[in-house]
Amino acid sequence: AQTVTQSQPEMSVQEAETVTLSCTYDTSESDYYLFWYKQPPSRQMILVIRQEAYKQQNATENRFSVNFQKAAKSFSLKISDSQLGDAAMYFCAYRSAWGTGNQFYFGTGTSLTVIP
Amino acid sequence: GAGVSQSPSNKVTEKGKDVELRCDPISGHTALYWYRQRLGQGLEFLIYFQGNSAPDKSGLPSDRFSAERTGESVSTLTIQRTQQEDSAVYLCASSLLGATYEQYFGPGTRLTVT
Repeated sequence: AQTVTQSQPEMSVQEAETVTLSCTYDTSESDYYLFWYKQPPSRQMILVIRQEAYKQQNATENRFSVNFQKAAKSFSLKISDSQLGDAAMYFCAYRSAWGTGNQFYFGTGTSLTVIP
Repeated sequence: GAGVSQSPSNKVTEKGKDVELRCDPISGHTALYWYRQRLGQGLEFLIYFQGNSAPDKSGLPSDRFSAERTGESVSTLTIQRTQQEDSAVYLCASSLLGATYEQYFGPGTRLTVT
């Protein structure tokens, strides 16, 4: 089974600064999808960004971008110009490209604090 | 449009009682997932329903846990003879069928077993 590892249980960043959250995964598959989800205190999980493994270009969504290193099986999330509303738990997730309803595998999460 | 909804939002029950948690997925989403999230922990996969195929129950922690889904709509997660270790947030998510599609999550049900 695939495993997803987030080695930073907690991170903090000064408002307006940049922070990078780490994620590594273990798989023998060549095609897959990677996701970052945000879970604020309201508990509502929200998709932040998605990366297709066959794409070499790193995904970007406004202030959020990823550094996808396929060979290293690394998928970090960079948050630029951090805002107070970015404070949340962030989960990295993996999904195989094979099949139509495969499981998502989630990491254990990184709690991000934004300091005013 | 409407998102994934779950009810109840919070549930407090006594040890040994049965509970039912409900999930209403986004209309048209054929894939539906249940997860358990213990306090300060990540998401633990429980079960998923994929259209008319047999559900993947590989994540259910014991035979006290079961889930049903009516067609491609509502799903209920039932926990029988609840134990204190069942206390957690139970999250439901739905998705279109196909690996490229992300999951849309509900707000979760916080279950407390006293």
